[in-house]
This record gives sequence, structure tokens and C-alpha cells, in this order.
Amino acid sequence: SQTIHQWPATLVQPVGSPLSLECTVEGTSNPNLYWYRQAAGRGLQLLFYSVGIGQISSEVPQNLSASRPQDRQFILSSKKLLLSDSGFYLCAWDQGLDQPQHFGDGTRLSIL
Amino acid sequence: GQQLNQSPQSMFIQEGEDVSMNCTSSSIFNTWLWYKQEPGEGPVLLIALYKAGELTSNGRLTAQFGITRKDSFLNISASIPSDVGIYFCAGHNRGSGGSNYKLTFGKGTLLTVNP
Repeated sequence: SQTIHQWPATLVQPVGSPLSLECTVEGTSNPNLYWYRQAAGRGLQLLFYSVGIGQISSEVPQNLSASRPQDRQFILSSKKLLLSDSGFYLCAWDQGLDQPQHFGDGTRLSIL
Repeated sequence: GQQLNQSPQSMFIQEGEDVSMNCTSSSIFNTWLWYKQEPGEGPVLLIALYKAGELTSNGRLTAQFGITRKDSFLNISASIPSDVGIYFCAGHNRGSGGSNYKLTFGKGTLLTVNP
């Protein structure tokens, strides 16, 4: 069966520091991969998606970037974190446009 | 852009009661999804609906895809304390093209069940 892993589960970082969050999917090949941010108000905002290695589409211009160095690995990064980057970051995958997305357990990011 | 209105925003019920929540859209979708999210975790898929009029059950959960393709509802029967969480609807238009990778999410219904 397929599984998705995100780490770390929680992270506290100072303003201006870099960020790297990692997501990997097991048990499937060539998945579509997604990064979302969930604010305290509950809404899920799509940040990036990828349909293949090296292919990244950005939904919202901001202080973050994404990369997909391997088929089942998706990384969310920042060179300099802002206070507004705090939130709950979720990775998701699906096996095609006619399949539902499945989410990881998320990373709680707090910026001090 | 597409927007989903999910209601109610929150519900406080007694254990054993039935629950109903719904989502309406300003435009049509060809897929409706319902997720549940517990504190500190990611959303978990409950039910996926792919056809207008479809009624699908998953244990005590039942969801329907509206005939107009602009709405969906989720019912939970005989609620139990572990039903507590935030329930999200999501609309999707399956097919080719860049915009079809996006899910449009409702803002969630927070369910509290009193034992």
C-alpha cells in the first residue's frame, strides 16, 4: 500500500533562517505531489504542485520554493523565513487526475 | 475563481445524534471529496464521489453528489466521541490541463461530540 511521510513534525525557527521540509511517498511511482499551507482559520491553500521530476508549478508567489529531485520526493524550502510563514504545512499525493489526493501528517512551523 | 461554501462552520452535538453538513459551489465540479482532519494531523479521505446523483456510504457516513453538480452533503449517523474533528469538502474537475490539478476546499465544519 502507499504511504506518505513528512518530516519534521514540528519545527521552531527564527526569522531570517532557512527552511527545508521534506515529503516522500512510498508504494507508488510517478505520483503528482502537492504542498499546502493551512492557516489557523482552517482553509487549505495550495502552494506548489509537481507532475514529475524537476517539474514545479507555483500557485502563490511568496517567500517559498519547492523542488522535486527524485520521483517520490518533494521538498519545500525558503532562504529566509518571515513571521508570516508560520503555519501547518501539508504534503499530498495522487496517482492521476482522476484519483483523490491523500495527505501526510503535516509539519507545524513556528517562526519566532 | 471557484468558491465553496461549507456549512455549518461548527456543530456541538450529543453522542448518538445524527449530523448533516453540506457544501455548495458557484460552479460545477465532476468530483466531490470529503475529508476528516483531527488535531495535529493531515486530512484523511472519507468518501469520493464521481457521478452526479451518486450516493455513497462508508460505515456510518453517507455522502451524496448533487444532481446539479454544484453541491454535496455528508451525513454521519449515531455519532460517537471519536467523530470529533474538522470535516472538509473539496471539489475537483478531473481531466487534462494545468488547472485540473487543483482541489477547491471548503473552510471546514468543526464537529464536537459530547459523550
